[in-house]
Amino acid sequence: AQSVSQHNHHVILSEAASLELGCNYSYGGTVNLFWYVQYPGQHLQLLLKYFSGDPLVKGIKGFEAEFIKSKFSFNLRKPSVQWSDTAEYFCAFITGGGNKLTFGTGTQLKVEL
Amino acid sequence: DTGVSQDPRHKITKRGQNVTFRCDPISEHNRLYWYRQTLGQGPEFLTYFQNEAQLEKSRLLSDRFSAERPKGSFSTLEIQRTEQGDSAMYLCASSLEGSGRVTEAFFGQGTRLTVV
Repeated sequence: AQSVSQHNHHVILSEAASLELGCNYSYGGTVNLFWYVQYPGQHLQLLLKYFSGDPLVKGIKGFEAEFIKSKFSFNLRKPSVQWSDTAEYFCAFITGGGNKLTFGTGTQLKVEL
Repeated sequence: DTGVSQDPRHKITKRGQNVTFRCDPISEHNRLYWYRQTLGQGPEFLTYFQNEAQLEKSRLLSDRFSAERPKGSFSTLEIQRTEQGDSAMYLCASSLEGSGRVTEAFFGQGTRLTVV
């Protein structure tokens, strides 16, 4: 069955610390990969996406993610987090011929001043 | 705001009652999705439409759930004889499919259902 594993459910960082959130997917074929963010009280918003090409993709607000096909991973990174990055982060994928997103369980990030 | 809108934002209902939610997608988007999210979980796919055709339904969608998109624009999700286990956030999303490619999904703010 298709699934997404996000290794960290809760992460607490101080401002300016570096961030890496793990994401592994389970599917043997072509995938399109996404990171969505949900700020408190707001709707899910797209942070970045990978469809094809350069496996290192850059998104909004200084976030980036690297697709490593051999590891079925799509980890999210940011070199220096800000208090405003406090949110829940969801990794998701859609298969090459598929029609629906499969989400991970999310990682709750809290950035402390 | 030209994003995906959902109504109502919150709904409290008594067990056994019927509820209906509405979703208005981004106007040019031909795909519309319904997801359900419970506490501590990511969104789970329920069903999706391409224009007015409902093309896929999850096994999560019991026969008490029905969704429509009559004119290929807005959609409704109805839950009959609600149960406490139906309490969740119901999310709607839309995307554009064309030439075999699908854009990313844009989500609404959701309808939070509480069944008491």
